[in-house]
Amino acid sequence: EVQLVESGGGLVQPGRSLRLSCVASGFTFDDYAMHWVRQAPGKGLEWVSGISWNSGTIDYADSVKGRFTISRDNAKNSLFLQMNSLRTEDTGFYYCAKNIGGTSPFDYWGQGTLVTVSS
Amino acid sequence: EIVMTQSPGTLSVSPGERATLSCRASQTVGSNLAWYQHKPGQAPRLLISDASTRATGIPARFSGSGSGTEFTLTISSLQSEDFAVYYCQHYNRWPRYTFGQGTKLEI
Repeated sequence: EVQLVESGGGLVQPGRSLRLSCVASGFTFDDYAMHWVRQAPGKGLEWVSGISWNSGTIDYADSVKGRFTISRDNAKNSLFLQMNSLRTEDTGFYYCAKNIGGTSPFDYWGQGTLVTVSS
Repeated sequence: EIVMTQSPGTLSVSPGERATLSCRASQTVGSNLAWYQHKPGQAPRLLISDASTRATGIPARFSGSGSGTEFTLTISSLQSEDFAVYYCQHYNRWPRYTFGQGTKLEI
């Protein structure tokens, strides 16, 4: 069974940092690209960042570029999101999701972890 | 960036009725279009890929159509478990796969 389990969310003050993790199981992790998607309170889904299977291609939404860093450790079946200089508008649920790469949809998602940025 | 626009924002229907949700892309995405279902507290679930292909385990009452810039998700006979928020997403330019703003399907 495919599982994606996020962790690392919590309450943090504006300007501080947080690191999210996503542990994968039930599939060959390094066959897949991985992504982070978030949902602010009362809003829709927003793609945040994506990383190819070998970390060779990485991209970010303009809203987080320069502040967030995506990475992965294929030996540990893990995906990470380092979030620096957090803003109140970064508050929301953060989901990890996988796709086979190229032009393909996100076939599985995690349950999400909640990040709250507030003073 | 490709902008995805969904309509309506909220759709009120009764169980057993048919629901039609629309999604428009600001430029052509071919058939690189997916639909997801999202319920509170749950992981989003892939329903449709390639504009019209049902994902594994998705009931036949869900169908997708369209290509280019205009797409439709149809649920032929609504069941109670279908009331949720539905998102379209293009996957035409890896990895920036933008979503529509969602359609809330309510009773």
